[in-house]
Amino acid sequence: DAKTTQPNSMESNEEEPVHLPCNHSTISGTDYIHWYRQLPSQGPEYVIHGLTSNVNNRMASLAIAEDRKSSTLILHRATLRDAAVYYCILRVLPGGGADGLTFGKGTHLIIQP
Amino acid sequence: NAGVTQTPKFRILKIGQSMTLQCTQDMNHNYMYWYRQDPGMGLKLIYYSVGAGITDKGEVPNGYNVSRSTTEDFPLRLELAAPSQTSVYFCASSYGAGSYEQYFGPGTRLTVT
Repeated sequence: DAKTTQPNSMESNEEEPVHLPCNHSTISGTDYIHWYRQLPSQGPEYVIHGLTSNVNNRMASLAIAEDRKSSTLILHRATLRDAAVYYCILRVLPGGGADGLTFGKGTHLIIQP
Repeated sequence: NAGVTQTPKFRILKIGQSMTLQCTQDMNHNYMYWYRQDPGMGLKLIYYSVGAGITDKGEVPNGYNVSRSTTEDFPLRLELAAPSQTSVYFCASSYGAGSYEQYFGPGTRLTVT
């Protein structure tokens, strides 16, 4: 999997939007952009993924740059329960094999009440 | 629907002992994975399986063995435990590779002393 770069930590206030950036300048045309988060003392959980177009789901939105070299995870209204480590991960299209997710250190999101 | 379950939740081993970490999923997923997470780090892939009877090494397989006799179960065996294997172990499953999300279990915290 290609490498991603994320800030080590970010801080935001409760009930405000949060924009978590991710750089992936070596992304290939077949790489999906995935986001997972890990709450304290829990296993990671899936947040969202996309390929080229912006994506929305009940948890978050994913904004993908036109050249696909960066993306931003958007939490529209952060709550204290969103405090977690957020991982940006690139995954290749299914093509045989079952490569696991390659986790970096992620961004530690701190939410202030 | 329990998802991915892992047992035990905690375990302390002495150097040289052996143990098996259990993982079961009830989502009929073909793909299953074992990861380890050291303090302050992202997850690293140990082994994975694309179906019953098929397993393959990940990034850090040394000191571990796996088997996959059924779709539901994917046990991880530690032989001759060493302090370097002190970590949190996560099992995950998915419907497929690439764009498909992975579902993670709650983890097993292992200490080797």
